[in-house]
Amino acid sequence: SQQGEEDPQALSIQEGENATMNCSYKTSINNLQWYRQNSGRGLVHLILIRSNEREKHSGRLRVTLDTSKKSSSLLITASRAADTASYFCATLSSYKLIFGSGTRLLVRP
Amino acid sequence: GAVVSQHPSRVICKSGTSVKIECRSLDFQATTMFWYRQFPKKSLMLMATSNEGSKATYEQGVEKDKFLINHASLTLSTLTVTSAHPEDSSFYICSASALTKSGNTIYFGEGSWLTVV
Repeated sequence: SQQGEEDPQALSIQEGENATMNCSYKTSINNLQWYRQNSGRGLVHLILIRSNEREKHSGRLRVTLDTSKKSSSLLITASRAADTASYFCATLSSYKLIFGSGTRLLVRP
Repeated sequence: GAVVSQHPSRVICKSGTSVKIECRSLDFQATTMFWYRQFPKKSLMLMATSNEGSKATYEQGVEKDKFLINHASLTLSTLTVTSAHPEDSSFYICSASALTKSGNTIYFGEGSWLTVV
């Protein structure tokens, strides 16, 4: 990817379990954002964490940011079948939003 | 909330022809729009930054003569794929930057599927 890598590339879990996705990036950032994309559709903005923040919550989502390691994680708790989608981190640098490689999440009912 | 509209959502064109994709900001003025390309099961790759009234800035490796970008107004940017070939088949997504109370917020269109046959 242009900016960095996400792992795992694919994740399959049972409904009710937690899903953790990790993102690493290469350059200094203003903020880091997480997006969701259903197959063949546009992007849905999930959460934004600024470079001076370490953790942020939104509903069942928890995002952490470690700027010293240039990494972030997205935790989805109590997953649902409807959470099945691809998840991308994106970093804002020089006014451009650059995406990570993404994690394809499958939540089995 | 802000909405970005892309048209067409799906287009099929013959090899060798050109096809235009429009990206409109419906309720805000976007001085900057971005064009991305996405292959199946891959991430979004930034192609270019489109600035109203000036030439687009292309990312490394993106052919500016192949992918023509025009940002003629504060609400419209167009991407024209010239002399399209099957390898240009892809999902193209635009985004637009809006100045909000939170600062610069980026909104995405729903994307356009291009199939070149």
